[in-house]
Amino acid sequence: ETGVTQSPTHLIKTRGQQVTLRCSSQSGHNTVSWYQQALGQGPQFIFQYYREEENGRGNFPPRFSGLQFPNYSSELNVNALELDDSALYLCASSDPDRPSYEQYFGPGTRLTVT
Amino acid sequence: GEDVEQSLFLSVREGDSSVINCTYTDSSSTYLYWYKQEPGAGLQLLTYIFSNMDMKQDQRLTVLLNKKDKHLSLRIADTQTGDSAIYFCAESMSQNAGNMLTFGGGTRLMVKP
Repeated sequence: ETGVTQSPTHLIKTRGQQVTLRCSSQSGHNTVSWYQQALGQGPQFIFQYYREEENGRGNFPPRFSGLQFPNYSSELNVNALELDDSALYLCASSDPDRPSYEQYFGPGTRLTVT
Repeated sequence: GEDVEQSLFLSVREGDSSVINCTYTDSSSTYLYWYKQEPGAGLQLLTYIFSNMDMKQDQRLTVLLNKKDKHLSLRIADTQTGDSAIYFCAESMSQNAGNMLTFGGGTRLMVKP
């Protein structure tokens, strides 16, 4: 069974630029969630995708957008990067048919905005 | 409200038991989870408990849930140096929110040899 993978591992961008982060879900999981973890804090929910549709969103502005593909992999896009977007971005996959809804996380992408 | 709180830091000696505490506010939470995060890594799911349970044991881990007080704890028996990490509790919010997890700020566990 393949776990959740994310790419790239690290990324450095300049304020105002755009970035795309990628995630491959665990085998058999059709739901992907994205979280932002600022340094020293717990993860914050950005949004979730289920069968290629957005299925819930946290308190993040529209410049945070996403996609899910037919193979259930996902992208997180952030436009007009700000310094405060510097964080670890975590992707998690889950199987909504499991009543416990547990989410399994990838290793994350560390984004630095300068 | 959506607020999960944890103490910041816990230090124990190797071989002792560790107890990490968490309080949450949403009484509609269906599941509560404990995750472990080692430096520079993602989150590892340790265990979870359904909200109608009081206790769950899984090898060295024991989860206790007091739903009346909205208090959750994770006990690690025979704590080892490899248990040093940040531990997050999380609650699962309603389905309308896309089954989002709300995390606490994390408790850093330091295990001294």
